[in-house]
Amino acid sequence: AQKITQTQPGMFVQEKEAVTLDCTYDTSDQSYGLFWYKQPSSGEMIFLIYQGSYDEQNATEGRYSLNFQKARKSANLVISASQLGDSAMYFCAMREVGTYKYIFGTGTRLKVLA
Amino acid sequence: DAGITQSPRHKVTETGTPVTLRCHQTENHRYMYWYRQDPGHGLRLIHYSYGVKDTDKGEVSDGYSVSRSKTEDFLLTLESATSSQTSVYFCAIRGTSGYNEQFFGPGTRLTVL
Repeated sequence: AQKITQTQPGMFVQEKEAVTLDCTYDTSDQSYGLFWYKQPSSGEMIFLIYQGSYDEQNATEGRYSLNFQKARKSANLVISASQLGDSAMYFCAMREVGTYKYIFGTGTRLKVLA
Repeated sequence: DAGITQSPRHKVTETGTPVTLRCHQTENHRYMYWYRQDPGHGLRLIHYSYGVKDTDKGEVSDGYSVSRSKTEDFLLTLESATSSQTSVYFCAIRGTSGYNEQFFGPGTRLTVL
């Protein structure tokens, strides 16, 4: 069965530093998509970044980048130059090919310290 | 903004009562989803729909039913609410960009006493 694992329930980072949030996945499919979402304390879910399994380059979106290591089945989110507004819960997710379903990890709560 | 609304936004009900949550979207998206979010569990899929009258179960579908009689509305029903169904419920649609990322509604906080 496909699975997403986020092993860091909570993390702290100093403002202006970079932080890496871990995500490992398990799938036997060759084609899949990986996503990161942010959930601030206000509760909404915000799409951040996407990585396709066949993408040769790591995805980047502004201060967000995805460290994609296919052989290790990891898709870690890197946030550069952390800001206080980055304090939130972050979820890693994977799209199941052929079923239109998505599975989510349990999330990592990030706190940025001033 | 994918134009997704959920109603009600908050509800308190008693064990054994039926509850219906509504998800409404304005952009004619084909795929719609219901998730529940609980601490330590992330988001878990309850049911999803791939078209009008076409629905399928997710990983935590027991105790829930859904209906989709028109493209814009996806209803989640708890036939007889239990305290274990106290949760935050999110509706989502599947976007139509190359990424097929999901866009979420604002959530409904349901408390079953």
